[in-house]
Amino acid sequence: AQKVTQTQTSISVVEKTTVTMDCVYETRDSSYFLFWYKQTASGEIVFLIRQDSYKKENATVGHYSLNFQKPKSSIGLIITATQIEDSAVYFCAMENYNQGKLIFGQGTKLSIKP
Amino acid sequence: EAGVTQSPRYAVLQEGQAVSFWCDPISGHDTLYWYQQPRDQGPQLLVYFRDEAVIDNSQLPSDRFSAVRPKGTNSTLKIQSAKQGDTATYLCASSPGGDTQYFGPGTRLLVL
Repeated sequence: AQKVTQTQTSISVVEKTTVTMDCVYETRDSSYFLFWYKQTASGEIVFLIRQDSYKKENATVGHYSLNFQKPKSSIGLIITATQIEDSAVYFCAMENYNQGKLIFGQGTKLSIKP
Repeated sequence: EAGVTQSPRYAVLQEGQAVSFWCDPISGHDTLYWYQQPRDQGPQLLVYFRDEAVIDNSQLPSDRFSAVRPKGTNSTLKIQSAKQGDTATYLCASSPGGDTQYFGPGTRLLVL
């Protein structure tokens, strides 16, 4: 069975600090892709960052980085120097190779306080 | 480069009514996806196309939902005889050759 689990329902941090969001996944496939998206208050879903399962190096884009622990089936999202505008719901998603569809977690609501 | 566009942005129906959602993917993206996102949940795939061909519609409630992409560009998702349980946001996404998916703004549907 393919499944993505985000156990943190909500997180609140002070601006300019670092936050980590957890995500674990289940798959029988040896090749897969992992994604993080954020959904803003307006409902827009924005692609943030991606990790391919065969890559050992953690992906980094701007102030987003990933903590990919393949033996634990875990893909954490790290946001450094958080800003108020980072407040959103963050979704972890998985796509098995050649299957096309994204399987999403339940989402983690991030609130950044001044 | 223009993103994925969808219309309408909102729809309110009575049970039993029909509604259609329209999606224009990013230019050059051959793969188009429709997702349903119930409130406070992650999106769930309904159907996806590569060009005009349906690749996976296994999660599409076939008795009331239908989706087409006749020329391999724009797509329409239709719900006939809507139910209150269909209340959700309907999201369209596109990708080039099955790569990273980019989402449109969604259509928020409320069925009374």
